[in-house]
Amino acid sequence: QVQLVESGGGVVQPGRSLRLSCEASGSTFSSYGMHWVRQAPGKGLEWVALTWYDGSREYHADSVKGRFTISRDNSKNTLYLQMNGLRAEDTAVYYCATGGSGSPFYSGMDVWGQGTTVTVSS
Amino acid sequence: SYVLAQPPSVSVAPGKTARITCGGDNVASKTVHWYQQKPGRAPMLVIHYDSDRPSGIPDRVSGSNSGNTATLTISRVEAGDEADYYCQVWDRSSDHWVFGGGTKLTVL
Repeated sequence: QVQLVESGGGVVQPGRSLRLSCEASGSTFSSYGMHWVRQAPGKGLEWVALTWYDGSREYHADSVKGRFTISRDNSKNTLYLQMNGLRAEDTAVYYCATGGSGSPFYSGMDVWGQGTTVTVSS
Repeated sequence: SYVLAQPPSVSVAPGKTARITCGGDNVASKTVHWYQQKPGRAPMLVIHYDSDRPSGIPDRVSGSNSGNTATLTISRVEAGDEADYYCQVWDRSSDHWVFGGGTKLTVL
């Protein structure tokens, strides 16, 4: 089964950019659709974005559309989230998660990373 | 956009049965997944495709989906079941993945 490790979180000023990474090991990363999900302090889970297994399709939540971009490099077994124009409300733990080896539309999020924390503050 | 409604909290005594609901417009037409999250930990899938258990999930945990309500049922509740539980679907109309607001299960 795939294992996922996120990195790239930190403290950043409003309006600045940050890129998160999610490195996969242990299985065939290129077979899986991949999600980013975030959780603000004390709040519930919020889906952020999904990329298809081959990167051919991408979907973003309305709250991040136009500011965040999901991408992947299957040759490096790595998923990315480029975050631009960060706002205080983007402060959260960001998780990557697999979206199933078939269509991600009907699959659950089987495997999750441990999360990386992003804090947007001046 | 599609909304999933969960009760903020459910309390149950050890050994009893906990039922956590997830309400949505004709949610039975969608595929519902359930996640357990303990404090400081990543979420974990406990039910997928409405009622299937991933490997390693005990058969005390079950799911159902009918009409406007999906339900996660935990039988013979143990202290270790205390956690937040989230339901999730894919909304075809928006191509968005949607989570319910979460339910905190307290074992008395």
